[in-house]
Amino acid sequence: QSVLTQPPSVSEAPRQRVTISCSGSSSNIGNNAVNWYQQLPGKAPKLLIYYDDLLPSGVSDRFSGSKSGTSASLAISGLQSEDEADYYCAAWDDRLNGWVFGGGTKLTVL
Amino acid sequence: QVQLQESGPGLVKPSQTLSLTCTVSGGSISSGSYYWSWIRQPAGKGLEWIGRIYTSGSTNYNPSLKSRVTISVDTSKNQFSLKLSSVTAADTAVYYCARESILTGYHGAYYFDYWGQGTLVTVSS
Repeated sequence: QSVLTQPPSVSEAPRQRVTISCSGSSSNIGNNAVNWYQQLPGKAPKLLIYYDDLLPSGVSDRFSGSKSGTSASLAISGLQSEDEADYYCAAWDDRLNGWVFGGGTKLTVL
Repeated sequence: QVQLQESGPGLVKPSQTLSLTCTVSGGSISSGSYYWSWIRQPAGKGLEWIGRIYTSGSTNYNPSLKSRVTISVDTSKNQFSLKLSSVTAADTAVYYCARESILTGYHGAYYFDYWGQGTLVTVSS
């Protein structure tokens, strides 16, 4: 059972928009920044969004992040087949004094 | 370009100690404000943070693993290491090392920006 809650899977057609939710609590998302990671099959995770809504250099602006209270969301617009991957949210937890991750969401582009 | 590379035995016997090293290239491990973390992922499952070490040597560990984990740094070799004692089959996973950067001036702005490729460690007799 992960501290942060994500849907196990989402699917959408190419060129459409999809959102992935991440729910936490006041000790993690509610008080600290949320980061999102993309993990392609067989690869290491890659930073996708940091500090809730900032894009690292080189990441497509089709990806965007937002946060409200103790929940965060990742949105992907203009879906492409190459976006098929697992997506993880993460935040520092002040109560546990450590990083916590969501369980991951598998994105399927139909 | 910073690169991280994990190394260590791919097979460890139950009850023994798992030892991994992460070698950092493209930058000094002791420069800048960075934490250096270990993260693992059992096959088909999610990511689990194990712990981290700051350039000063201070550490934070996952409470669920704290009694078995030691993370250390060797600045002369530009490496940091993980030791996990009393391993069981439940510790079988891909182990990643990662750099945690800090966005100065912003509360709680930490993120893993560089990751190693990961190394599979199997616990089996």
